[in-house]
Amino acid sequence: DQQVKQNSPSLSVQEGRISILNCDYTNSMFDYFLWYKKYPAEGPTFLISISSIKDKNEDGRFTVFLNKSAKHLSLHIVPSQPGDSAVYFCAASRMTGANSKLTFGKGITLSVRP
Amino acid sequence: NAGVMQNPRHLVRRRGQEARLRCSPMKGHSHVYWYRQLPEEGLKFMVYLQKENIIDESGMPKERFSAEFPKEGPSILRIQQVVRGDSAAYFCASSPGWQQNTGELFFGEGSRLTVL
Repeated sequence: DQQVKQNSPSLSVQEGRISILNCDYTNSMFDYFLWYKKYPAEGPTFLISISSIKDKNEDGRFTVFLNKSAKHLSLHIVPSQPGDSAVYFCAASRMTGANSKLTFGKGITLSVRP
Repeated sequence: NAGVMQNPRHLVRRRGQEARLRCSPMKGHSHVYWYRQLPEEGLKFMVYLQKENIIDESGMPKERFSAEFPKEGPSILRIQQVVRGDSAAYFCASSPGWQQNTGELFFGEGSRLTVL
């Protein structure tokens, strides 16, 4: 049972354009959502997060949107840069005390063409 | 380097041998998580530990796998009698205690296990 789904395995965009990465979840108990970026042979690095009490969070070129009713979130990167080429994982958790256990999607491979 | 440290980065074992993966959490963090990434898959939760305690092992296979986080020293993920299906990247992550919890996990660079 996959609770966090990233249905598109890959995305290719032109440098300077917007990249939109989508993520859906099924567990309504999730209340915190994160995006991680991963380069080959490296560990995931935190990118941006959003709490379920918000519908948007912005950090520089990165914006995450949350639609709770649709159980859907998306990561927007604008403008996209070649260095953004990586695998992006969507993750979700329940913020209960100290437990930060994250449930991950399968990831989306983003390629930004120069 | 105050980040999450994992070793070895690469480990090759023959079927039936034991694999031990080590993880030192980020400085000031007392909670450790282990995740496994199989080829073409996302990261799957295995176990969550605090010092000397296993808090959540709902993702651990029932047999051959064990984890510990002793009072002194790194956390260890141990795989006994490895099989080819254990070949994967194993990632360790850490987080601070309850009062400093931001919901974010900090990951190490992973240990890549290859079973021949």
